[in-house]
Amino acid sequence: DGGITQSPKYLFRKEGQNVTLSCEQNLNHDAMYWYRQDPGQGLRLIYYSQIVNDFQKGDIAEGYSVSREKKESFPLTVTSAQKNPTAFYLCASSSRWVKRLSTDTQYFGPGTRLTVL
Amino acid sequence: DAKTTQPTSMDCAEGRAANLPCNHSTISGNEYVYWYRQIHSQGPQYIIHGLKNNETNEMASLIITEDRKSSTLILPHATLRDTAVYYCIVRGTNAGGTSYGKLTFGQGTILTVHP
Repeated sequence: DGGITQSPKYLFRKEGQNVTLSCEQNLNHDAMYWYRQDPGQGLRLIYYSQIVNDFQKGDIAEGYSVSREKKESFPLTVTSAQKNPTAFYLCASSSRWVKRLSTDTQYFGPGTRLTVL
Repeated sequence: DAKTTQPTSMDCAEGRAANLPCNHSTISGNEYVYWYRQIHSQGPQYIIHGLKNNETNEMASLIITEDRKSSTLILPHATLRDTAVYYCIVRGTNAGGTSYGKLTFGQGTILTVHP
């Protein structure tokens, strides 16, 4: 069964702790993305990766870190430096690096809801 | 990326067609129109996309005006499960920097399907 999985679905963290969100895909996609969504808001891009061992900052990368050691995995670490980490985190992937980016459809995972206590 | 404008909310009776409009008057020639929807507390679901021709798939139809300044997503026979926030997105084509691949989600249209 192909798709994108994110775990856990709900995550609670104490202030000052780092936490890592998992994202796995078995779609053989090259590109992967992390977005953040706050209540009633649209999605904002945190980090993206076009290929293994490479990743780029998005619009709101401060307080986050990522790695891309395997094609199918793109974990996101929310560090204690992130001032407002409580949010809904969404991972996405797309098929390949293409020159005409508009044709490269992104597919999303189910999301992880992070709450800082 | 071109900005999009959508109505805040719409209602539709179950079994009827739902027509969701989107304005994107500043769209440039090589930008596609994408539609996603998001059911509460789930990840966005891809619906359809197009450039200038009308498109249809198993989920919906996309009608793009000839001048490409607006489009309409049509759900031909809406069901209660189609209740969601629908996002119209114009996809940028920058091949580098922080805008690469980014999907800019606005506020979307809250579609409520009634029995």
